[in-house]
Amino acid sequence: EDQVTQSPEALRLQEGESSSLNCSYTVSGLRGLFWYRQDPGKGPEFLFTLYSAGEEKEKERLKATLTKKESFLHITAPKPEDSATYLCAVQAGDYKLSFGAGTTVTVRA
Amino acid sequence: NAGVTQTPKFQVLKTGQSMTLQCAQDMNHEYMSWYRQDPGMGLRLIHYSVGAGITDQGEVPNGYNVSRSTTEDFPLRLLSAAPSQTSVYFCASSYMGQGEFSYEQYFGPGTRLTVT
Repeated sequence: EDQVTQSPEALRLQEGESSSLNCSYTVSGLRGLFWYRQDPGKGPEFLFTLYSAGEEKEKERLKATLTKKESFLHITAPKPEDSATYLCAVQAGDYKLSFGAGTTVTVRA
Repeated sequence: NAGVTQTPKFQVLKTGQSMTLQCAQDMNHEYMSWYRQDPGMGLRLIHYSVGAGITDQGEVPNGYNVSRSTTEDFPLRLLSAAPSQTSVYFCASSYMGQGEFSYEQYFGPGTRLTVT
């Protein structure tokens, strides 16, 4: 059974204080690892897809990396608008996504 | 493009009532799915479909039915609502492709359901 564990559950940052979120996973035959952002009362919004160990992707202040067992989402010099819940999900060969419980990030001005 | 749309946004049911949550997408995606989201548990897959006429169960299918008569629509039916089905429900869709790569799922805005 595919498993996805995200840590920490919650992260409080000062504006400009860089940090990292962790997503560890076990899956048979990884097709892709996805990062989503979810704002309160909204549906998840796609951020990145990573396919193989060593791959990195960047978007503004966010950078996602992938190893064979985990993925990191690095937030560099965060701003209050980066406050959200960040979700990690893995997809195996059957197209089904398995999600972690998420990390809620709060950035204070 | 409207993307993925869901109706209603909010719903309150009494135990034992039935209802249908509507989901539609205008991106011609083959793959559609329903999730429920509960505090501390993440998104859990209820049912999914890889094309019109094809549906399958996810992680938590009990108490829910789906059908897919068209590419665009994927309704979720609650047969006899129970308080344990109080949750936020999300519909999602994606392109499937034929190669080794995965494609991101696009999510609707959600339906917040309360069963009393």
